[in-house]
Amino acid sequence: EVQLVESGGVVVQPGGSLRLSCAASGFTFDDYTMYWVRQAPGKGLEWVSLISWDGGSTYYADSVKGRFTISRDNSKNSLYLQMNSLRTEDTALYYCAKVYSSSWEYFDYWGQGTLVTVSS
Amino acid sequence: EIVVTQSPGTLSLSPGERATLSCRASQSVSSSYLVWYQQKPGQAPRLLIYGTSSRATGIPDRFSGSGSGTDFTLTISRLEPEDFAVYYCQQYGSSPLTFGGGTKVEIK
Repeated sequence: EVQLVESGGVVVQPGGSLRLSCAASGFTFDDYTMYWVRQAPGKGLEWVSLISWDGGSTYYADSVKGRFTISRDNSKNSLYLQMNSLRTEDTALYYCAKVYSSSWEYFDYWGQGTLVTVSS
Repeated sequence: EIVVTQSPGTLSLSPGERATLSCRASQSVSSSYLVWYQQKPGQAPRLLIYGTSSRATGIPDRFSGSGSGTDFTLTISRLEPEDFAVYYCQQYGSSPLTFGGGTKVEIK
């Protein structure tokens, strides 16, 4: 059974930093591109960042470029999101999501999310 | 970037009724690479439809998807109580992938 379990979400002040983690199991982690997708309270879905299976390629939404860094450790079946210079508009539930395949980038599995609240 | 617009924002219907949700893209979606997700309160999104019209594993056949180019539709033939939720479409034909803003199907 595929499982994605996020952790690390807390309340942080504007300008602060945070590292989110996602523990994956039930599939061959290093075969798949992985994403972070966020959802602000009462709002829709927004992709934040993606990383290729080997970590060699990373991409970011314009809204987080230069502030967030995605990484993975395939030996630990784990995905990470380092979040710096946090803003109030980064407040959201952050989901870790697995793509169906490298050719078809839709999400067949999602974690339950970890809540990041940026507030003074 | 392809902008995806869903309509209506909210659909108020009764159990047993038919629901028709629209998803429109600002440019043609390559190879009909469009999916639909269902999200219930407090839950992560769940994949319903991929490739415009293929149901994901375990999705009942009252859910169907159709469309091509820039216009896509999710139809729920007869609403069950568990179908009241928010539905999102997402295109994956062009990078970056983009989501629609969602349609809430609520009980009338």
